[in-house]
Amino acid sequence: NAGVMQNPRHLVRRRGQEARLRCSPMKGHSHVYWYRQLPEEGLKFMVYLQKENIIDESGMPKERFSAEFPKEGPSILRIQQVVRGDSAAYFCASSPGRENIQYFGAGTRLSVL
Amino acid sequence: AQSVSQHNHHVILSEAASLELGCNYSYGGTVNLFWYVQYPGQHLQLLLKYFSGDPLVKGIKGFEAEFIKSKFSFNLRKPSVQWSDTAEYFCAVNLLSGGYNKLIFGAGTRLAVHP
Repeated sequence: NAGVMQNPRHLVRRRGQEARLRCSPMKGHSHVYWYRQLPEEGLKFMVYLQKENIIDESGMPKERFSAEFPKEGPSILRIQQVVRGDSAAYFCASSPGRENIQYFGAGTRLSVL
Repeated sequence: AQSVSQHNHHVILSEAASLELGCNYSYGGTVNLFWYVQYPGQHLQLLLKYFSGDPLVKGIKGFEAEFIKSKFSFNLRKPSVQWSDTAEYFCAVNLLSGGYNKLIFGAGTRLAVHP
């Protein structure tokens, strides 16, 4: 049973470009969470999604960031017009239900030049 | 606002030394508590969890943690560390109000174990 898969592992973008981060949850998991880890800080919750629905996006910046979890395919975290402050590690987690343990992927490290 | 505090950001130990990493949270409601570990270049792995029952929980690789409700603490311990325990350790709280899963993480503790 494959774990949570994130790709790419490393992503380099120039200021103003778009970044797309992908997350495939574990088999049988329909709940996905995105977290961001800034340097020297802990993980901060960004958004919680179920298939085709955003349940809680209270941790998402109001502009440039969006997330989706379509019926088919991986969850996508999209950052438009990236700035240097977006440089961070972005982690995805999944769970089978809303109160279950979350299993994490290896993360995507975004570097904005 | 709910928060999780980890007291030590960097810890350096020699092999066979005992380990205790502090974790305190600020939230008066029902919580689930977790310790995750991140080995260099790898994903976060669950070390142990507390949901209810015996406040002393045992996890993988010889780790244990004790939930002390009156102190809002969930400290991680290991009697004798190994070089392979070098990693970053995160304490997390799962808030249960609202009916779903939102993990609040501490800032993490980087542990370096020297042979």
